[in-house]
Amino acid sequence: QKEVEQDPGPLSVPEGAIVSLNCTYSNSAFQYFMWYRQYSRKGPELLMYTYSSGNKEDGRFTAQVDKSSKYISLFIRDSQPSDSATYLCAMSLNYGQNFVFGPGTRLSVLP
Amino acid sequence: GAVVSQHPSRVICKSGTSVKIECRSLDFQATTMFWYRQFPKQSLMLMATSNEGSKATYEQGVEKDKFLINHASLTLSTLTVTSAHPEDSSFYICSASPQGAKNIQYFGAGTRLSVL
Repeated sequence: QKEVEQDPGPLSVPEGAIVSLNCTYSNSAFQYFMWYRQYSRKGPELLMYTYSSGNKEDGRFTAQVDKSSKYISLFIRDSQPSDSATYLCAMSLNYGQNFVFGPGTRLSVLP
Repeated sequence: GAVVSQHPSRVICKSGTSVKIECRSLDFQATTMFWYRQFPKQSLMLMATSNEGSKATYEQGVEKDKFLINHASLTLSTLTVTSAHPEDSSFYICSASPQGAKNIQYFGAGTRLSVL
């Protein structure tokens, strides 16, 4: 079993839809959780950062962490064509160390 | 804020030559910088972690004599691919963690290396 699993997609949705992106992980010791967005041939861009369980909202983006289920989610409301990218989840055990990235989910938002 | 500049963005070289890639944190000091390799449609593969003023820590399977990393200052790390071969062709990405926020990585735009 891989340490972090993520459906690679591609996931295609119409403009304005609510998008749900998810990652599952096997190591219950992960404490810090991040979502990155990567456009084609570019470096990843940090979208959301959360510590432990709970929800965090930033504009159209909401990150959820359920440590009991070892499951994290990123919701995108009112999706736009500009949201079309690959979304990577990432997590770490200790502060500043042992980062693990998911394989990424390719999202296409169709106008 | 939190901008990481990576240069060059694209490089094409002949087999056997060495290529240097620079990673700079423009508006923050980075105690730690990371170097990743990414194959098409795959996730980031950590190659090494470098801390300013000390030797880099390489991941298992990464040849440290082939991928030389120097982190001479709090704003600059370099990756040199020595004696490059076609199988080294890939997308290389650096990231940097601010001193006051070590758990966040800010990424450069990446370097696409093509070895002929």
